[in-house]
Amino acid sequence: GENVEQHPSTLSVQEGDSAVIKCTYSDSASNYFPWYKQELGKGPQLIIDIRSNVGEKKDQRIAVTLNKTAKHFSLHITETQPEDSAVYFCAASGRDSSYKLIFGSGTRLLVRP
Amino acid sequence: DAGVIQSPRHEVTEMGQEVTLRCKPISGHDYLFWYRQTMMRGLELLIYFNNNVPIDDSGMPEDRFSAKMPNASFSTLKIQPSEPRDSAVYFCASSMMTDYGYTFGSGTRLTVV
Repeated sequence: GENVEQHPSTLSVQEGDSAVIKCTYSDSASNYFPWYKQELGKGPQLIIDIRSNVGEKKDQRIAVTLNKTAKHFSLHITETQPEDSAVYFCAASGRDSSYKLIFGSGTRLLVRP
Repeated sequence: DAGVIQSPRHEVTEMGQEVTLRCKPISGHDYLFWYRQTMMRGLELLIYFNNNVPIDDSGMPEDRFSAKMPNASFSTLKIQPSEPRDSAVYFCASSMMTDYGYTFGSGTRLTVV
């Protein structure tokens, strides 16, 4: 089955700097790659996603890149702010167009003011 | 829409007792997912439904766990008998067939003592 690895497990950056989180997946049939942000005491919230026919997608300070050949995708946050501090999860869709998502282990991002 | 609604938010029970977690998905969403989150294992998919029918229950840890979706607006996850290792945060999420993007509930924090 699909396996998603996420790095780093923790990331500390200064406010205003950029943060990059990377994920690799194992199943070449995966075609949907979302990123979720989880704040303390809340459920994960979808912040951006990308599909396999697109290489890069941006939404204000957040961008995601996808390399299908290498089977990895990354989340880029620019001009980080303290409110970006949270746990971020990447995910990949299962094979055979199944609608289940397999999640990475999460990255705890701390933005220091 | 009020989003995905889970109840209770917190549950403390004694080992051996039956526990029932409840979920109301977003109206119009035809997929419903149950995930379990722990520090050690991250976000694990337990089971998911499409149009109230269980599609994949391969993540259900053992026969003590069962899930039902009697109608499009309600699902339950039951643990009987509960054990201390079942302590975790249980999330319900829903999505539409045409859009992978999951919406998660706020979760139920289960503590089995």
